[in-house]
Amino acid sequence: DAGITQSPRYKITETGRQVTLMCHQTWSHSYMFWYRQDLGHGLRLIYYSAAADITDKGEVPDGYVVSRSKTENFPLTLESATRSQTSVYFCASTAGGPSTGELFFGEGSRLTVL
Amino acid sequence: QKEVEQNSGPLSVPEGAIASLNCTYSDRGSQSFFWYRQYSGKSPELIMFIYSNGDKEDGRFTAQLNKASQYVSLLIRDSQPSDSATYLCAVTTSGAGSYQLTFGKGTKLSVIP
Repeated sequence: DAGITQSPRYKITETGRQVTLMCHQTWSHSYMFWYRQDLGHGLRLIYYSAAADITDKGEVPDGYVVSRSKTENFPLTLESATRSQTSVYFCASTAGGPSTGELFFGEGSRLTVL
Repeated sequence: QKEVEQNSGPLSVPEGAIASLNCTYSDRGSQSFFWYRQYSGKSPELIMFIYSNGDKEDGRFTAQLNKASQYVSLLIRDSQPSDSATYLCAVTTSGAGSYQLTFGKGTKLSVIP
């Protein structure tokens, strides 16, 4: 099916472990994003990518790594998970430029770090 | 720090009433304004966008923009229990460099049958 999918949907891990959240979109959208959503903070941008092999930091990038070798995939890696990274993570995409707000979101990945 | 402020709510309205959701933003250079709806446990979905001063209507939804006051609102007429959700205001901000879309923290709306 066309759209944007995230995996895993739910993940429990321990402090210090590496975790990778996957994001795949079938629209060939240029822009892809990773947000985290926490109570009291709303949606905060972690990283975004304007095209394959082009990534840039958002508001809260520390502790995260991204890559984009193919247009359709944008994985997010927590190299050494911390409890403060317990959150719901949303991947999003859009065909538009840097000022567009018309984002399409995945279903989210709920990560718990013990 | 470019900010987007929303009343967190919850905002409770009876079924059939008008729900009014408000949002203010700090960046005078902001050009585009968006309203997303997020049901509990689900992802945000775009419901309205507005670029020019004034009103924009789409079915039961009306977005209002006043750039001079740095204020954008969303009116929901004939509110239904299915409108119960958190509404996120998002604003594109000016300036070169990093991606420029800032979300507010959202207003939780409850429509009481």
